[in-house]
Amino acid sequence: AQTVTQSQPEMSVQEAETVTLSCTYDTSESDYYLFWYKQPPSRQMILVIRQEAYKQQNATENRFSVNFQKAAKSFSLKISDSQLGDAAMYFCAYRSAQTTGAGSYQLTFGKGTKLSVIP
Amino acid sequence: SAVISQKPSRDICQRGTSLTIQCQVDSQVTMMFWYRQQPGQSLTLIATANQGSEATYESGFVIDKFPISRPNLTFSTLTVSNMSPEDSSIYLCSAERYRGIANYGYTFGSGTRLTVV
Repeated sequence: AQTVTQSQPEMSVQEAETVTLSCTYDTSESDYYLFWYKQPPSRQMILVIRQEAYKQQNATENRFSVNFQKAAKSFSLKISDSQLGDAAMYFCAYRSAQTTGAGSYQLTFGKGTKLSVIP
Repeated sequence: SAVISQKPSRDICQRGTSLTIQCQVDSQVTMMFWYRQQPGQSLTLIATANQGSEATYESGFVIDKFPISRPNLTFSTLTVSNMSPEDSSIYLCSAERYRGIANYGYTFGSGTRLTVV
């Protein structure tokens, strides 16, 4: 079974600065998807960024970018020019690319990192 | 991308009663997922609901306690039965998003905060 580990329960960053959230995962598969989700106090889960394992290029979405190291099974999220609205719980998640068999289609989540943004 | 309307957003229930949570998706989706989340913690998958077949439950969750319906490709319900205070939690539904045939993440409902007294 796949596991996702977020080793930083809490992080803080000054407004306008850059912060990196860590995520590692364990899998024997070669093809999969990785995600970062944001959950503000409103509880709404918001997709921040998505990475396909077969793509070597790191995904970027505006101020959000990832450092995907497939061999190291690492998938960190970098938030640049941090804003007060970035304060939230961030979850790293894994999905197999398989479409059959047990566990297909399911997301495996890490425990989350609570990010605070200091004005 | 799919948008999910989930209701109720919160409820306070007496122990021993049941609550049904509804999720309506604005487009047809094959799989829907139900999660439980303790405040400040991660999401735990309860079951996967595929239209036209019985839901598949994860270890620790049983159909008698968490019956799920999936009558069509846009709707699903989760019932929390014979509730006890230990069932107090946030419940979320989710559906997979696609771009073509490739997974493009998941859309989530806004969650139901359940308190059992």
